[in-house]
Amino acid sequence: GQQLNQSPQSMFIQEGEDVSMNCTSSSIFNTWLWYKQDPGEGPVLLIALYKAGELTSNGRLTAQFGITRKDSFLNISASIPSDVGIYFCAGPRRDAGGTSYGKLTFGQGTILTVHP
Amino acid sequence: ETGVTQSPTHLIKTRGQQVTLRCSSQSGHNTVSWYQQALGQGPQFIFQYYREEENGRGNFPPRFSGLQFPNYSSELNVNALELDDSALYLCASSSERTGTDTQYFGPGTRLTVL
Repeated sequence: GQQLNQSPQSMFIQEGEDVSMNCTSSSIFNTWLWYKQDPGEGPVLLIALYKAGELTSNGRLTAQFGITRKDSFLNISASIPSDVGIYFCAGPRRDAGGTSYGKLTFGQGTILTVHP
Repeated sequence: ETGVTQSPTHLIKTRGQQVTLRCSSQSGHNTVSWYQQALGQGPQFIFQYYREEENGRGNFPPRFSGLQFPNYSSELNVNALELDDSALYLCASSSERTGTDTQYFGPGTRLTVL
């Protein structure tokens, strides 16, 4: 099936450091989405990627859609305490006919802790 | 622009009971998807509603059902609750204009089954 493997599982960093996390799949995805979730709240969409090779920034966040369409990367520059949370990659699962029906598959998440 | 809203915020039920969760989509969005998120895991797709009809379903039993109304709001109903149904239930909305794969989530409803 279309599974997403996210790494690392967790990160402990100092405020001001840069962060990099990635997501890989054995299947091709046509869309990659990156979300951040705070405890007890819903995921917030950070960046959406729609084309292989696409590099998109949102403030201190930068994400890339891998050329093979089987991976994606999220980088956070100059981390701050409010970056703490769980980061998920997600992509639409598709049936044999190629239709997604909005079924997003999520990675296991990367737990980010930022020490002041 | 109003984001996705969900009610109630928290709910406690006992095994065997039935529950209804509600979701209002983001303004301009006509598609609603529901997800279940167990503690420590990523969200799992339950189903999607488009034009008031179920438009795709994940690996969940028939006791999970839903509705979508003409104003695009939606309900998730779960019958015969089991202990394993305890989770955060998330609603996400999207539109054909921006692509139904690009989904915006609400704050969730925390369901506890005792």
